[in-house]
Amino acid sequence: KNEVEQSPQNLTAQEGEFITINCSYSVGISALHWLQQHPGGGIVSLFMLSSGKKKHGRLIATINIQEKHSSLHITASHPRDSAVYICAVRGTGNQFYFGTGTSLTVIP
Amino acid sequence: DADVTQTPRNRITKTGKRIMLECSQTKGHDRMYWYRQDPGLGLRLIYYSFDVKDINKGEISDGYSVSRQAQAKFSLSLESAIPNQTALYFCATSDFGNEQYFGPGTRLTVT
Repeated sequence: KNEVEQSPQNLTAQEGEFITINCSYSVGISALHWLQQHPGGGIVSLFMLSSGKKKHGRLIATINIQEKHSSLHITASHPRDSAVYICAVRGTGNQFYFGTGTSLTVIP
Repeated sequence: DADVTQTPRNRITKTGKRIMLECSQTKGHDRMYWYRQDPGLGLRLIYYSFDVKDINKGEISDGYSVSRQAQAKFSLSLESAIPNQTALYFCATSDFGNEQYFGPGTRLTVT
C-alpha cells in the first residue's frame, strides 16, 4: 500500500496547454512537497506547503488538508517543463513518503 | 558550487565488494538523508540522521550502514554489494520543518 498516490503516471501535452498533476495521501502530514526530477536525474524542490496555495512563475500548487489531496498546475506549458514530478509528504513523525512520480512530456 | 555533493557520481562494482558513497553539504543543515530510487518505485528512505549523534534506520536499511562523520558529511556503505542494490542513490539535507535539498545522485551498478 502506498501512502502517496499520484495521477496520472504519464502525461503528454502540447506546448501551451494547462497541466494538472494530482496527489493523494493517506497519512497525517505536517507538510507536502512537490519535487521536479529532470532527465539527468537531479531533484529540485518546487514547493513546500501545509495549507492553501502557492505560486511560483507558471507553477501553482494547492493542498486540501481535509481531503488529503494536492494538485500541481503548470500554466502555458513549455518543452523545458518536461520532467518527472514527485509528490512527497512529511508525516507527523518526520518520516518522508514519496509518490512514484508523474512523467510529463511537453511537445513543441 | 553545489550545496549538496555526492561522490562518486557513477560506480560499477562486483558482487561482494564493499563500497562507500559519500555526501557533503554546505547548507549548514543538521538533518541528512540517504534514499534509493528504482524504476517504477518512489524514493525510499535508507537511513537518516538528525544530528551528528543521531542515526536512524529508514524503510530499507538492510544491507546498508551509515556514518555521520561531521555535520556536513554523511556516508552510506554497502558492506557486501549485491545486484539488487543496483539503483540511483540520493543524499538530501534539510533544516527542521523545511524543504529538502538533494544531491545530484550516484548511479550504482552491481554486477
